[in-house]
Amino acid sequence: EADIYQTPRYLVIGTGKKITLECSQTMGHDKMYWYQQDPGMELHLIHYSYGVNSTEKGDLSSESTVSRIRTEHFPLTLESARPSHTSQYLCASSDIGTNPHEQYFGPGTRLTVT
Amino acid sequence: TQLLEQSPQFLSIQEGENLTVYCNSSSVFSSLQWYRQEPGEGPVLLVTVVTGGEVKKLKRLTFQFGDARKDSSLHITAAQPGDTGLYLCAGAWGWNFNKFYFGSGTKLNVKP
Repeated sequence: EADIYQTPRYLVIGTGKKITLECSQTMGHDKMYWYQQDPGMELHLIHYSYGVNSTEKGDLSSESTVSRIRTEHFPLTLESARPSHTSQYLCASSDIGTNPHEQYFGPGTRLTVT
Repeated sequence: TQLLEQSPQFLSIQEGENLTVYCNSSSVFSSLQWYRQEPGEGPVLLVTVVTGGEVKKLKRLTFQFGDARKDSSLHITAAQPGDTGLYLCAGAWGWNFNKFYFGSGTKLNVKP
């Protein structure tokens, strides 16, 4: 069973606030990803990382930023939240060596910006 | 432009019926994954298919990867209400699988 955690699960915040969404995995996976998903729709890749100190932007433009200082931790930050950022944010990880084809997802953070 | 097209978009059936969901692309993928997602949760991996023409079975679910590795199908036999959810296909892209592209999903509702 995959061990990947996201906090908070739900967040309601006002416009202009700075927020950080946390993602941690205990599997030692090198690759980690952030996706944005509107309810019942497809996932859009916004950031990914190959390993420590490696971050890349995904296909969907996002005003968020990420960092990868430790293998197990991949936080996402919004400097100034806006209503257009309201969405579900999903974190995932994969193992380059053992199962590079497979991603394991956290439960997601449902963000609402008022 | 959607790299992976899923059909149908919505499916509502009675318990006991069979169904097939399709995932199509004009691009070749290194592999295809199928996920099932429940509301408010992250997707859960069901299966990965890697070889063209490959067929995998998971209890009542049968997955097939097209010979050209551009398409895949998911067949459910004797659907149950517990099968209700959003089914997503995803293709791994690139020599080191550095990106995954997701289809738009099929929302399945199985009525008791």
